[in-house]
Amino acid sequence: EPEVTQTPSHQVTQMGQEVILRCVPISNHLYFYWYRQILGQKVEFLVSFYNNEISEKSEIFDDQFSVERPDGSNFTLKIRSTKLEDSAMYFCASSRPGQGFNGYTFGSGTRLTVV
Amino acid sequence: TQLLEQSPQFLSIQEGENLTVYCNSSSVFSSLQWYRQEPGEGPVLLVTVVTGGEVKKLKRLTFQFGDARKDSSLHITAAQPGDTGLYLCAGLRGGTSYGKLTFGQGTILTVHP
Repeated sequence: EPEVTQTPSHQVTQMGQEVILRCVPISNHLYFYWYRQILGQKVEFLVSFYNNEISEKSEIFDDQFSVERPDGSNFTLKIRSTKLEDSAMYFCASSRPGQGFNGYTFGSGTRLTVV
Repeated sequence: TQLLEQSPQFLSIQEGENLTVYCNSSSVFSSLQWYRQEPGEGPVLLVTVVTGGEVKKLKRLTFQFGDARKDSSLHITAAQPGDTGLYLCAGLRGGTSYGKLTFGQGTILTVHP
């Protein structure tokens, strides 16, 4: 069964530092996403990425955040100048829309703790 | 704001009982997806329903999409302790099969032996 792989599984960072969360989506998927889940709260959409550009972003995804697909396999989320409230589980997901669409595949997540 | 209201938020039952989880919205969705999430893990897709009135079965789990595509339900027959977990519904809008998923707040199911 193809998987979405995320690294690292845990990241602890000092407030104000930059972090990069990494994801390897499923190889024949075309859409890539980042979601986050603050402890005890709903899973929230951050951004979707298609054809090497952002296709949609939420109000959470401000100038502090950026995404990149630097090569044919990796998909990264960069958080600049982290804040305490950025502490959350961050999930990468990918999908292949169109005929045979069958939902999204999520990675196991990166637990980000900002101290 | 597109909201998906899931109910109940918590469900604690005995092994062998049946249960239903509901996911309701005032918005129309092009598809509804049900996920199960274990602590510290990402959501794992159980099923996607696309057509109004559609019913899908996955062993003891039955998923239904409302005729108007605004609501969905998950019914578990003869629940087992292994069914314990967090169940999430998530909807896609805009007549597409890509884009922003809106999640419900989840139902925490506990099945006691």
